[in-house]
Amino acid sequence: DAGVIQSPRHEVTEMGQEVTLRCKPISGHNSLFWYRQTMMRGLELLIYFNNNVPIDDSGMPEDRFSAKMPNASFSTLKIQPSEPRDSAVYFCASSFLEYNQPQHFGDGTRLSIL
Amino acid sequence: DAKTTQPTSMDCAEGRAANLPCNHSTISGNEYVYWYRQIHSQGPQYIIHGLKNNETNEMASLIITEDRKSSTLILPHATLRDTAVYYCIVKMAAGNKLTFGGGTRVLVKP
Repeated sequence: DAGVIQSPRHEVTEMGQEVTLRCKPISGHNSLFWYRQTMMRGLELLIYFNNNVPIDDSGMPEDRFSAKMPNASFSTLKIQPSEPRDSAVYFCASSFLEYNQPQHFGDGTRLSIL
Repeated sequence: DAKTTQPTSMDCAEGRAANLPCNHSTISGNEYVYWYRQIHSQGPQYIIHGLKNNETNEMASLIITEDRKSSTLILPHATLRDTAVYYCIVKMAAGNKLTFGGGTRVLVKP
């Protein structure tokens, strides 16, 4: 079975550039989550969607970050303009919305902003 | 969601059982205990969860104390591939959000 698919796996870009991270959730899952992991702050939830609708974006660090889920099989996390402090591993996860279903994570996008 | 406390790191011998403790003294009645692990360079992986009864699956067993203030994840026969960071998380049943702490870094040694 295909798991959560993230692309690209690695991204290196210069500060000021726009960065777009992509996620394809597991087919049939109706909740999608974006996390960020750094050495200093650990694994943090940025935003999550239920049935393609953003429910909680309180973890999004600032207006430079935006996330969309145009349909049930695709989501993007965009950073514009990017800054060196945005360097991190970004994970996408999906789950069934129903009671107590575990989240399944992708292998992440390692982002480096120079 | 209730906060959890885990040891920073622990070693265990290959082939032996690994017992990973977690304290969650402020857990409330409708909060579940979840365990995830993260192997180097991979995304977190779900292991098991429970409310108050002990649970077992193909990966591990979860023992929750009667007062629910602590729990233990048991890997029955640790292998080198079980080397990972293990996260104990307390989450309300109805909510989606997982709040990850620092976890326990487990090193399985030959």
